[in-house]
Amino acid sequence: AQSVAQPEDQVNVAEGNPLTVKCTYSVSGNPYLFWYVQYPNRGLQFLLKYITGDNLVKGSYGFEAEFNKSQTSFHLKKPSALVSDSALYFCAVRDKNRDDKIIFGKGTRLHILP
Amino acid sequence: DAGVTQSPTHLIKTRGQQVTLRCSPKSGHDTVSWYQQALGQGPQFIFQYYEEEERQRGNFPDRFSGHQFPNYSSELNVNALLLGDSALYLCASSLLTGRSNQPQHFGDGTRLSIL
Repeated sequence: AQSVAQPEDQVNVAEGNPLTVKCTYSVSGNPYLFWYVQYPNRGLQFLLKYITGDNLVKGSYGFEAEFNKSQTSFHLKKPSALVSDSALYFCAVRDKNRDDKIIFGKGTRLHILP
Repeated sequence: DAGVTQSPTHLIKTRGQQVTLRCSPKSGHDTVSWYQQALGQGPQFIFQYYEEEERQRGNFPDRFSGHQFPNYSSELNVNALLLGDSALYLCASSLLTGRSNQPQHFGDGTRLSIL
């Protein structure tokens, strides 16, 4: 069965510092991986995805994520955090070889301190 | 180009009642998925509709049902509401054919409160 783990409920980072939001996954085959962001009282907005190819994926708003197959991880990163990055972040996975639903993690609240 | 739109934005019901939530997909999309997001949790997949048929279903009881119309819009119906059905209900649209690597586009959701 597919699963996604986001081990941190909340991450606090000072503005201007680099940030990392962790995600590990489990699928029986090869994964499609996604990161979404959710602002208060809004739906989820797509940030980036890993399909195949380069392990470092660049996305919206300066975010990037690194796919690590051996560690089954897909951590979200940004070199310099902004206060406006404060939001709820979700990692999601879908098994590439199965026509199956997308599974979301429980989310990590990112708090950027001014 | 309108994105995914959901209505209503908020809804208050009492236990035992029935509710219908509506979703219009992003222009050009043919597939609609529904998710339940409880407070402090990630979205949980309810079901997906394509060509007016339920294509996949998550672990939700039969009280949760849906429909897709010829214009690709969709409804989510929940019968015999329970307190635990209080949540944000999200609709997401996408293109189905051979594109499971494409991201879904989400609406802003309907906040359902059960008293």
